[in-house]
Amino acid sequence: NAGVTQTPKFRVLKTGQSMTLLCAQDMNHEYMYWYRQDPGMGLRLIHYSVGEGTTAKGEVPDGYNVSRSTTEDFPLRLLSAAPSQTSVYFCASSRQGTNYGYTFGSGTRLTVV
Amino acid sequence: ELKVEQNPLFLSMQEGKNYTIYCNYSTTSDRLYWYRQDPGKSLESLFVLLSNGAVKQEGRLMASLDTKARLSTLHITAAVHDLSATYFCAVASMDSNYQLIWGAGTKLIIKP
Repeated sequence: NAGVTQTPKFRVLKTGQSMTLLCAQDMNHEYMYWYRQDPGMGLRLIHYSVGEGTTAKGEVPDGYNVSRSTTEDFPLRLLSAAPSQTSVYFCASSRQGTNYGYTFGSGTRLTVV
Repeated sequence: ELKVEQNPLFLSMQEGKNYTIYCNYSTTSDRLYWYRQDPGKSLESLFVLLSNGAVKQEGRLMASLDTKARLSTLHITAAVHDLSATYFCAVASMDSNYQLIWGAGTKLIIKP
């Protein structure tokens, strides 16, 4: 099983550029999440989705948007990149409910210069 | 607002020793998760603790949850080098079943 697949693995952007981080899961999980990980801060939730056609804001949503047009895909868009968005981004998915752990993708290391 | 604190944040220990990582959280929750992350890698689910008094064990790792004390522990028995990693706890916010609040992580180095 592929699990959660994220692309790209690495990217360097210039300030003001836009890009889309892709996330796909093949486990038929209802819930999907985008996190960013910064040194010494744990993970912070950017956006999440509880099913196809739904999205919601997490703790740090500004500068990002998402869509969930299929169960499998949950892309994250950076609208106008800023150096503060330099981070490692993780996509995750889970079954409905909190009884289950999350399955994480391998991450995207993004640098904004 | 739910806050999650782990301690210690850094731990260097010798193989064969026992140690405990602590995860405290500030408001009521009955869902707690432990994850492992190797350097430059993704996060791997270790334990899901769903009730007061829950205890789970996998190899040399044992996790427990005390919801009254708002405390979870991750105990390492007879540590081996392969357990070197960063360990995170995450607590489900009762305000939202979907949002996990994460601790800052405990970087564990086990010296041969």
